[in-house]
Amino acid sequence: AQSVTQLDSQVPVFEEAPVELRCNYSSSVSVYLFWYVQYPNQGLQLLLKYLSGSTLVKGINGFEAEFNKSQTSFHLRKPSVHISDTAEYFCAVSDGEYGNKLVFGAGTILRVKS
Amino acid sequence: EAGVTQSPTHLIKTRGQQATLRCSPISGHTSVYWYQQALGLGLQFLLWYDEGEERNRGNFPPRFSGRQFPNYSSELNVNALELEDSALYLCASSPGGKTEAFFGQGTRLTVV
Repeated sequence: AQSVTQLDSQVPVFEEAPVELRCNYSSSVSVYLFWYVQYPNQGLQLLLKYLSGSTLVKGINGFEAEFNKSQTSFHLRKPSVHISDTAEYFCAVSDGEYGNKLVFGAGTILRVKS
Repeated sequence: EAGVTQSPTHLIKTRGQQATLRCSPISGHTSVYWYQQALGLGLQFLLWYDEGEERNRGNFPPRFSGRQFPNYSSELNVNALELEDSALYLCASSPGGKTEAFFGQGTRLTVV
């Protein structure tokens, strides 16, 4: 069975500082990896995805993530955050066996302070 | 291009009643997924429909059911509502194959 661990439940950071949100996954097969963002009282918006190819993936709003197969990690990074990045971020994995059924991590709340 | 749309936005029901939630996928998408986001329980997979058939369901009791219509829209029905069914229900759609899923804004179900 697949599982996703987001190592930090909350990450406080000052505006314009860099940030890394950590994600580790467990799967016995090849996986597809995703990061989604959720603003209060809204649905999920896709930030970026890894399906195959280059292990460094660039997404929207200046975010990027690196797929590390040996470490089974897919950490999300941004070099300089803005107040508007305050939201909850979810890492998710799919093995493609059941379409695009996703297994989510518990989420990380990013709080950007001025 | 319109995204995934869900209705209603909010729904308040009494314990024991039935709730019906609706989802319209992105045009051209044949798969619809339902997830429950309950406080303290995170995002949990409920159901997957593709081409009108239920393909997979998560670890939820049978009173959670649904269907997919010929136009690929979908309904989620929750019977005999319990207080712990209060949650944000998210619908997502994707085209066939191994690609990403796109989410709607969700329906907030409150059971009182």
